[in-house]
Amino acid sequence: QQQVKQSPQSLIVQKGGISIINCAYENTAFDYFPWYQQFPGKGPALLIAIRPDVSEKKEGRFTISFNKSAKQFSLHIMDSQPGDSATYFCAASKGNTGKLIFGQGTTLQVKP
Amino acid sequence: GAVVSQHPSRVICKSGTSVKIECRSLDFQATTMFWYRQFPKQSLMLMATSNEGSKATYEQGVEKDKFLINHASLTLSTLTVTSAHPEDSSFYICSAQGLNTEAFFGQGTRLTVV
Repeated sequence: QQQVKQSPQSLIVQKGGISIINCAYENTAFDYFPWYQQFPGKGPALLIAIRPDVSEKKEGRFTISFNKSAKQFSLHIMDSQPGDSATYFCAASKGNTGKLIFGQGTTLQVKP
Repeated sequence: GAVVSQHPSRVICKSGTSVKIECRSLDFQATTMFWYRQFPKQSLMLMATSNEGSKATYEQGVEKDKFLINHASLTLSTLTVTSAHPEDSSFYICSAQGLNTEAFFGQGTRLTVV
């Protein structure tokens, strides 16, 4: 049972464009929704995270939009750069725990 | 953010041998550590959760006798893959969480069993 579903599997965006990755979750007990960036051969690095009490959070070029009723959240990368080319994972957890359920991942390629 | 160091970053071992992977929190006390496995082009799958001084809790389908986890101190957890086989070849990643903090990931260990 896939508790966190992520799409698309891959994404190609032109430099300067907006990259959008979507995730949907099933367990309404989840209350922490982070996004991670992973480069080949490296561990994932936290980009930005949101809790259900807000509908949007922005940090620099990265924005999370959260729709509690639809049980969906998305990552927007504004002004995408070639250096953003990586695999992105959404995740979810419940309570104050680092026990994360990951989405399937999205491979982003930003073309110069 | 806090620093979590994983060692080694790469290891090759012969089939049937055991290999130990270390995960250290360098600048905070990790009350809980998590071990994940990631196969090529796939997502991270949680293997087990360990609390300092307690036995690890394994996820369904993960063999506890094959993947031995020790969390003897607040800064160190180890994962030992016993009697490794080629199908155990994977990318193993730990994360560490302190009290009231998020979890921070190590840089991963690429295990190749030949």
